[in-house]
Amino acid sequence: EVQLVESGGGLVQPGGSLRLSCAASGFTFSDYWMSWVRQAPGKGLVWVANIKPNGREEYYVDSVKGRFTISRDNAKNSLYLQMSSLRVDDTAVYYCARFWSGFAYWGQGTLVTVSS
Amino acid sequence: EIVLMQSPGTLSLSPGERVTLSCRASQSISSTYLAWYQQKPGQAPRLLIYGASSRATGIPDRFSGSGSGTDFTLTISRLEPEDFAVYYCQQYSASPTWTFGQGTKVEFK
Repeated sequence: EVQLVESGGGLVQPGGSLRLSCAASGFTFSDYWMSWVRQAPGKGLVWVANIKPNGREEYYVDSVKGRFTISRDNAKNSLYLQMSSLRVDDTAVYYCARFWSGFAYWGQGTLVTVSS
Repeated sequence: EIVLMQSPGTLSLSPGERVTLSCRASQSISSTYLAWYQQKPGQAPRLLIYGASSRATGIPDRFSGSGSGTDFTLTISRLEPEDFAVYYCQQYSASPTWTFGQGTKVEFK
């Protein structure tokens, strides 16, 4: 059974940093593109970042470029999102998702709240 | 960046009705790279359709997708009580930067 379990969310002050993790199981992690998608309270879905299966290329939505870094450890079946210079409008539930012709598998999400 | 516009924003319907949701892209995309999702409150999204018209595993055949170029449609042939939710389209044509539409809410009339 495919499982994606996020962790690392919480309350952080504006300008602060946070690292999200996503533990994957039930599939060959190193075969798949992985992504982070976020959803602000009461709002729609926003794709945040992608990383290739081998981890050598990564892509970001413009609003997080230079502030967020996606990475993966295929030996540990884990995906990460390092977030810095956080802003109030980064407040959202962050989902990790596995991509293969769409996002067929999602984690349960982890809430990041940026507030003073 | 490819922008996806979904319409209408909200649909008020009754069980048993036929539903047609629209997703329009700001530029032409390959139908291979268009997906639809359903999201219920407090849950992660669920993939319904990929490649514009292929149903994902376990999706009932009352859900169907169609379209090409800039205009895509999700149809629910007969609305069931569990289908009241928010629906999103997503493009993955401008790989590898992807976008979602803003969503259409299907609510009880």
